[in-house]
Amino acid sequence: EVQLLESGGGLAQPGGSLRLSCAASGFSFSSFAMTWVRQAPGQGLEWVSSITASGGSTYYTNSVKGRFTISRDNSKNTLYLQVISLRAEDTAIYYCAKGPIATDPYYFEYWGQGTVVTVSS
Amino acid sequence: EIVLTQSPATLSLSPGERATLSCRASQSVWSYLMWYQQKPGQAPRLLIYDTSNRAAGIPARFSGSGSGTDFTLTISSLEPEDFAVYYCQQRYQWPPLTFGGGTKVEI
Repeated sequence: EVQLLESGGGLAQPGGSLRLSCAASGFSFSSFAMTWVRQAPGQGLEWVSSITASGGSTYYTNSVKGRFTISRDNSKNTLYLQVISLRAEDTAIYYCAKGPIATDPYYFEYWGQGTVVTVSS
Repeated sequence: EIVLTQSPATLSLSPGERATLSCRASQSVWSYLMWYQQKPGQAPRLLIYDTSNRAAGIPARFSGSGSGTDFTLTISSLEPEDFAVYYCQQRYQWPPLTFGGGTKVEI
């Protein structure tokens, strides 16, 4: 059974930082692209960042470029999102999601339950 | 960036009725259109990928159709557990991967 378990969310001040993690199990983690998707309170879904299976390519939505860094440790079956220079508009539930193939995220077959990031002073 | 517009924003129906949800793209996405279901307090769940392919474990009452810029998700006969928010998503042109704003199917 595929399982994705996010952690690392919490309350951060504007300008602060957090490191989100997503522990994966039940599939060959190193064979699939992974993605972070967020959902602001009461809002829709927003793609944030993706990484290929090898970690060799990363992609970001414009609003987080230069502030967020996606990475993965295939030996630990874990996906990360380092977030710095946080803004109020980054407040959201952050989901990690598994893609269907190694080289492109395309769509999201499985999702974690999410970790909540709140940016407030 | 490809913009996806979903309509209606809210669909009020009764169990057993047919639901028809629309997703329109700002430019052609060919057949690269997905549908997700999200219930309150839960993560989204993939229903349909590439227009018409049901994801694993998705009941046959869910079907997708369309091409180019106009797509439809049909729920043939609503079950109580189908009342939720539905999102479309395109993968034709990325980054960014984009989602529609959602359609809420309510009782």
